[in-house]
Amino acid sequence: AQSVSQHNHHVILSEAASLELGCNYSYGGTVNLFWYVQYPGQHLQLLLKYFSGDPLVKGIKGFEAEFIKSKFSFNLRKPSVQWSDTAEYFCASFGNTGKLIFGQGTTLQVKP
Amino acid sequence: GAGVSQSPSNKVTEKGKDVELRCDPISGHTALYWYRQSLGQGLEFLIYFQGNSAPDKSGLPSDRFSAERTGGSVSTLTIQRTQQEDSAVYLCASGKPAGEKLFFGSGTQLSVL
Repeated sequence: AQSVSQHNHHVILSEAASLELGCNYSYGGTVNLFWYVQYPGQHLQLLLKYFSGDPLVKGIKGFEAEFIKSKFSFNLRKPSVQWSDTAEYFCASFGNTGKLIFGQGTTLQVKP
Repeated sequence: GAGVSQSPSNKVTEKGKDVELRCDPISGHTALYWYRQSLGQGLEFLIYFQGNSAPDKSGLPSDRFSAERTGGSVSTLTIQRTQQEDSAVYLCASGKPAGEKLFFGSGTQLSVL
């Protein structure tokens, strides 16, 4: 069955620290992968997406993610976090049925 | 409108009552999704529509939950005989075809007393 797993549920970092959030998906066919972010009190919004091509994708606000097919992973990274990155981050994948499945989410707290 | 609109934004109801939650997607978006967001539970898929048909209803938790979409636009999620465990934020999202970026509404906070 299609599933998405996020390893880190709650991450606390100081400003300027590097960030990596893990995401693994189970679907073995063609996947469309996404990272969404939900800032406090705001709607979910798209950070970045991978459909095909270059496995290293860049998104908004300095975020990037690397698709590694052999590991079924799509980890999110940022070299230097800011206090304004405090939010909840969700990894998601589409399977061939058109269903978009989300991971459990990771709450990131950045200390100034 | 410019974005996905959900109403009401907050709903407080008594256990056993029925509730209807409404979603107005972005004009022209053929795909429409419903999710439930509970603290610590992430986003739970409920159902998705492509046009007026629902190719995947597998996420509906029980037969108390149903959804419809008319005219390829507005969708209504109905919960009958509400239970306390139904308390959550219900999110709607729309997109052009399925498989593309989704735009989310601000959700309906449902509280069942």
